[in-house]
Formats: sequence, structure tokens, C-alpha cells
Amino acid sequence: EDKVVQSPLSLVVHEGDTVTLNCSYEVTNFRSLLWYKQEKKAPTFLFMLTSSGIEKKSGRLSSILDKKELFSILNITATQTGDSAVYLCAPGGGSNYKLTFGKGTLLTVNP
Amino acid sequence: GAVVSQHPSWVICKSGTSVKIECRSLDFQATTMFWYRQFPKQSLMLMATSNEGSKATYEQGVEKDKFLINHASLTLSTLTVTSAHPEDSSFYICSARDGREYQETQYFGPGTRLLVL
Repeated sequence: EDKVVQSPLSLVVHEGDTVTLNCSYEVTNFRSLLWYKQEKKAPTFLFMLTSSGIEKKSGRLSSILDKKELFSILNITATQTGDSAVYLCAPGGGSNYKLTFGKGTLLTVNP
Repeated sequence: GAVVSQHPSWVICKSGTSVKIECRSLDFQATTMFWYRQFPKQSLMLMATSNEGSKATYEQGVEKDKFLINHASLTLSTLTVTSAHPEDSSFYICSARDGREYQETQYFGPGTRLLVL
């Protein structure tokens, strides 16, 4: 059975702090790992990672994948209150491109 | 690009009625669409995967006769909750995968909140 474990489950920081969110996984026929941000509605896409060791970056967010150790991290630097959300990790694979979602990390950024 | 719409965004219905939710990919052709359910403070649970023109594949524990999925075109999939009961109240979210891309990226619709009284 596919497993995705995200940690921490919740995190409270002050604006300007840097945070690291973790995701470990065990997925059959793994092909890629996706990160999503979910505020009050449906998730919005952040990153897709397919290769180990290659950092993907978008503004203050960055992410990297380790396929040998089966984990990924999402970094957010200089956090802002608008970063408050649930961050979901979803490894995927298989013939039907299915994603398995972790429980998410609830990030709260206080002013 | 990669916009997915979902309609309605909110629905309240009486127990025993059926509710249809539409999911559309607006600017790409979605060969595969996915239907998820999310309960408060929980993660997304995949209900079923649908490929255009074929029967949906349901996850274990999801009743296919209760949750009818139709993916008749490359831009539209529908989920019908038949004979809805209060325990079916949840947040239903669809996603679509761009058929041109050989990858897992799914783009999500805004979701439908269903409340069954």
C-alpha cells in the first residue's frame, strides 16, 4: 500500500522566518512528486519533481527530491502571512498517473 | 493555462435526492480526470479515475453505483451522487491531467461543497 508521511503536521512561525516542510513516501512505480498549496478551496500546483538533487525554485519557495532516500523537502524563505495554508505532498506513478496525497502540513504565519 | 472549472460550487439537497457535479478543463484536453473527496481537516481521498470514453476506475471502498462518473468528452467529466445521505456531505474536488503531457501534474477545480440535509 502506498504511503506518504508529511511532517510536521502543523507549524506556527512569524513573518520573515524560514520553514522546511518534509515529505517521505513509499509509492509503487514512482515517477514524480508534486507539491500543492491549499488555502480555503482546492489545491494549487507548486512544483513537480522527477529527478533527484535538482532544486526547483519559484520566488521564495524551493523544493528538492531524494529518490534514493524517498523524501522531498519544501522550503519557504522570508515567510509572509499569505503563505499560511496547508501544503500537500503527492507522489505519483503507475499507468493511470494516480497521485497519493499526504495529510499535509498546516503552516500558520503570524505577523 | 491549465484552468479547471467545477459547477456548482455549493449545493444543499434533501436526503434521497441525486446531485450532479460538473468538471471542465477550459484550455486543455483532459484525457484523465480524477474525483476526490475531502472531509474537514483531512487530506484528499481519491474516489475514482476516469479516462475519456471508458468506464471509471473506482478506489477500494467507493461504491460505483452510488457515485456515477461519466467522462464523455475530453473536456467534461461529471460525478453524480445518487440517493444522497447526510454522510455524503463533503467537499468534492475534481482534477484533470493534460493529455499532451507525459507526467503526473493534475490541475484542480475549485471544488464543490455538498450538504445533504
